[in-house]
Formats: sequence, C-alpha cells, structure tokens
Amino acid sequence: KQEVTQIPAALSVPEGENLVLNCSFTDSAIYNLQWFRQDPGKGLTSLLLIQSSQREQTSGRLNASLDKSSGRSTLYIAASQPGDSATYLCAVSGNAGNNRKLIWGLGTSLAVNP
Amino acid sequence: NAGVTQTPKFRVLKTGQSMTLLCAQDMNHEYMYWYRQDPGMGLRLIHYSVGEGTTAKGEVPDGYNVSRLKKQNFLLGLESAAPSQTSVYFCASSYVGQGIYYGYTFGSGTRLTVV
Repeated sequence: KQEVTQIPAALSVPEGENLVLNCSFTDSAIYNLQWFRQDPGKGLTSLLLIQSSQREQTSGRLNASLDKSSGRSTLYIAASQPGDSATYLCAVSGNAGNNRKLIWGLGTSLAVNP
Repeated sequence: NAGVTQTPKFRVLKTGQSMTLLCAQDMNHEYMYWYRQDPGMGLRLIHYSVGEGTTAKGEVPDGYNVSRLKKQNFLLGLESAAPSQTSVYFCASSYVGQGIYYGYTFGSGTRLTVV
C-alpha cells in the first residue's frame, strides 16, 4: 500500500531564505507526483506536477524534483517571502486504472517571517 | 473562468439530518472527486467519477452517496448525518489530454459540522 510522508511537519524561516521541503513515498511505481499549496481555510492550489518520466519541474521560484528509484521528491523554494506561508502538500498518483486517484502526505506547514 | 465551485461553503447539521453538497466545474473535465480533510488524517477520497453517469467508491465511502447525472456536476449526499462526518469536504476535477494527465483543480471546500 502506497504511503506518502512529508518532513518536516512544520517549518519556520526568516524571509529571504532558500528552503527545501521533502516528500517520500513507499512504492516507486507512480504515474506522477504533484505539489499543492493550501492556505488556511481555503482550497488547494496545484503548484507543480511531475510526470513519472520527468526528473524536475520549475515554476518561478519553485523547483520540484523527483527520484522514483529512491521514492523521494523535494520542493525547493528560492528567496522565500511571507506570502509563501501556507501548508504544502505532496500527492502521488498510482498506475492502477485510469482514475488517477491521489495518495496524500499530511503536509508541511511553512511560516516565512518578515 | 470559475473552475470548480462548491456549495454551500458552511453548514451545520443535526445528527440524522440529510443534505447534498454540490460541485460544479466549467472546464469540461472528465474526472471528478470528493475528498474529506480531517486534522492528522490528511485528505481521503470518498467517491470519484470517471465520466458522466459513472461513480466509484474511494477510501471512505460509507455514509455517503454520489451522483453524476451531468458531466459538469458531482453531488455528494449524506443520508443520515453523524458527528463522525464533521469535516471539510473538497471537490476536485481533472482531465487527460492526448495521453497526458494534467492534474487536479480543487474547489474552495465545504465546512460541515454535525452536532
């Protein structure tokens, strides 16, 4: 059974710092991996999607990498800003069927302090 | 461009009451999902649909029913609400284009309290 773990559970950094959020999964047979952002009391916003054949994806100050063989993904945030404060969730999609159900981590709660 | 719209945003129910949560998407997505999010449990899939007229059970389907009579709408029903169904409910949709999966779009959530 696929399990997704995110470490750390919470992180507090000063503004401007570069940071890395970690996501690990137990079954390397994934279809893709996604990173989401969730603001308090709000829905989830998709940040980056990495297909299983890709190694990384970039969007602005965000870079996500994927290493299927080791069951790990990292989300790198450059020059962090207070507006980056949110919970970041990682989710993987398995190969079974074509419904693309996601298995979720519990998230990393990030606070960027001015 | 509304994306995924959930109604209502908040609701308080008494134990045993019924209600329906509505999810509407305007992106012509084939796949739609209902999740619940609870502290320390993460997001868990309740039911999903791979197309109009089709539904399937997810991880935690008990106590819920769904219908997808139209491609753009996915309804989640609680026939007899229980306090254990107090949660935040999220609807999402996704699609596959030319064999490539393009990811999820989420609604803003429905906060349901059952007393």
